[in-house]
Amino acid sequence: DGGITQSPKYLFRKEGQNVTLSCEQNLNHDAMYWYRQDPGQGLRLIYYSQIVNDFQKGDIAEGYSVSREKKESFPLTVTSAQKNPTAFYLCASNPGRVSQPQHFGDGTRLSIL
Amino acid sequence: DQQVKQNSPSLSVQEGRISILNCDYTNSMFDYFLWYKKYPAEGPTFLISISSIKDKNEDGRFTVFLNKSAKHLSLHIVPSQPGDSAVYFCAARSSGGSQGNLIFGKGTKLSVKP
Repeated sequence: DGGITQSPKYLFRKEGQNVTLSCEQNLNHDAMYWYRQDPGQGLRLIYYSQIVNDFQKGDIAEGYSVSREKKESFPLTVTSAQKNPTAFYLCASNPGRVSQPQHFGDGTRLSIL
Repeated sequence: DQQVKQNSPSLSVQEGRISILNCDYTNSMFDYFLWYKKYPAEGPTFLISISSIKDKNEDGRFTVFLNKSAKHLSLHIVPSQPGDSAVYFCAARSSGGSQGNLIFGKGTKLSVKP
């Protein structure tokens, strides 16, 4: 089945550590996105990539970094510079056409130890 | 400043009745609107969308209405079922902005009681 796989589902980080969240899609989509969801909040865009080897900052990019070396993969690194990293992180993709909806993975919940 | 607003954090409806979820937006450049459904600890699932050239789109029990002059859209679920209980997010996109980037509302938690 085609879809978006995020791993791990739960992740714990110690203070001062970087941690990388995985996102893989086999939908052959050009565009990929990372969102953050906090309780009672909507989804906020962290980074997005419209094409391989290119990515752009979203609304809340500070303390995060990404790479897009392959079409199917868009990993997100939460760095120690992110002061409030505890959240639910969602990865999404779409074919890149404006009229197509984004499809989401099942998310990774990151917590600080 | 919130560009997409869902002013009701929660809604409770009896099974079999209609659920109406509302969404308001401020950016007149938005031309594509979507509704997503989300269960706890899962990713959002796309439900239905509408282009700004239409005022209604229907898919089974789900209908989305768009009132461009009022910058308002609504999602109607008829009849409501207990399995519809979830958080519903409204999202909007501008073709003039970064392609594909969605602006989400904060969500409305729908509870359908048997």
